[in-house]
Amino acid sequence: ETGVTQSPTHLIKTRGQQVTLRCSSQSGHNTVSWYQQALGQGPQFIFQYYREEENGRGNFPPRFSGLQFPNYSSELNVNALELDDSALYLCASGTLIAEFFGPGTRLTVL
Amino acid sequence: TQLLEQSPQFLSIQEGENLTVYCNSSSVFSSLQWYRQEPGEGPVLLVTVVTGGEVKKLKRLTFQFGDARKDSSLHITAAQPGDTGLYLCRGTSYGKLTFGQGTILTVHP
Repeated sequence: ETGVTQSPTHLIKTRGQQVTLRCSSQSGHNTVSWYQQALGQGPQFIFQYYREEENGRGNFPPRFSGLQFPNYSSELNVNALELDDSALYLCASGTLIAEFFGPGTRLTVL
Repeated sequence: TQLLEQSPQFLSIQEGENLTVYCNSSSVFSSLQWYRQEPGEGPVLLVTVVTGGEVKKLKRLTFQFGDARKDSSLHITAAQPGDTGLYLCRGTSYGKLTFGQGTILTVHP
């Protein structure tokens, strides 16, 4: 058990819609990162938040946005969904040295 | 763009054999983590290395961070079927977190 939970576990959306994925971590974790993982590939870094501010961003367009809240929860928002956005979305929280992953949200875009 | 080249991509071995997985980059990382991921689950942290030349051991697993902090290796001694899974390295550098492509390890009984 990593103490990191994600919701929902599975989600089906249609192209053009918007989606919000949620992550909850434990006390003392001051970072949260989000990743997109396609089947059979390593996770791709979307962005990291440190103490509620964006601390780094990967090569994802602006329609991928996020928030980190003071209560150790976080959101990943994706606007104007595309078919290629179908993937496992992973949240990881911890410190700048090490992060622990949640089980992921499987998003399917039809 | 930071790249973390992980090799080999696939590894299929017999129980009892030894193996090594490599992660190499031209970038310097402030820290590097190794994870193991089972299908349908999130990656599980195995180790974090932060000092150049550092060696850490976790039972039959030995992790090494290169002196220049650009590369790392994971060595498994006497592999067991329970070691089967996807092994991932992840480097941290200037706020960017980069994963290697992963190594799918299969250990046959």
